[in-house]
Amino acid sequence: AQSVSQHNHHVILSEAASLELGCNYSYGGTVNLFWYVQYPGQHLQLLLKYFSGDPLVKGIKGFEAEFIKSKFSFNLRKPSVQWSDTAEYFCAVNPQTGANNLFFGTGTRLTVIP
Amino acid sequence: DSGVTQTPKHLITATGQRVTLRCSPRSGDLSVYWYQQSLDQGLQFLIHYYNGEERAKGNILERFSAQQFPDLHSELNLSSLELGDSALYFCASSVGLGEGLGNTIYFGEGSWLTVV
Repeated sequence: AQSVSQHNHHVILSEAASLELGCNYSYGGTVNLFWYVQYPGQHLQLLLKYFSGDPLVKGIKGFEAEFIKSKFSFNLRKPSVQWSDTAEYFCAVNPQTGANNLFFGTGTRLTVIP
Repeated sequence: DSGVTQTPKHLITATGQRVTLRCSPRSGDLSVYWYQQSLDQGLQFLIHYYNGEERAKGNILERFSAQQFPDLHSELNLSSLELGDSALYFCASSVGLGEGLGNTIYFGEGSWLTVV
């Protein structure tokens, strides 16, 4: 079945540590890829997106993600996390099947310890 | 602020009841989407409307229905509510339909529904 997988359910890091959150998808064909962040009690905010071109995408707040087509992956990275990055992170895929809909992974909760 | 407005922010209701959640998309956006976020199901796509017409259905129960009005606002109607319907319901909007145009979907703050 088509799906979006985020294997890390909960990640705990100390401030200044580097972050990498995994995202794999199983949709074939052309896809658009997104990472959203949800801070406690807030709505989903777009961190970054990939549609085409350079597979290394830079987003807001120092986040970046790399699209590796051969691995069906779109991992999120940040070289040095801050306490304020504590949130839930969702990977999402738009499979470009003719409808502009997002299919989300189950999310990864990031806790950054000061 | 994403520009997508949802009301009410919180709602508590009893089983068997019916509620309506309202969404105003960002100015200029023709597409409206509804998503449900629950602890056990995660974030799930429910339904998509574009310029008043239904475009796609996801995991939406038959007890749920939605519509998009001529002014582009949308309502999600949830009826015969069950305890398991307790969730955060997000509305989102985008300019168009996507299909390679790179439309980004922007989310509202959500409506918390608690069914007791």
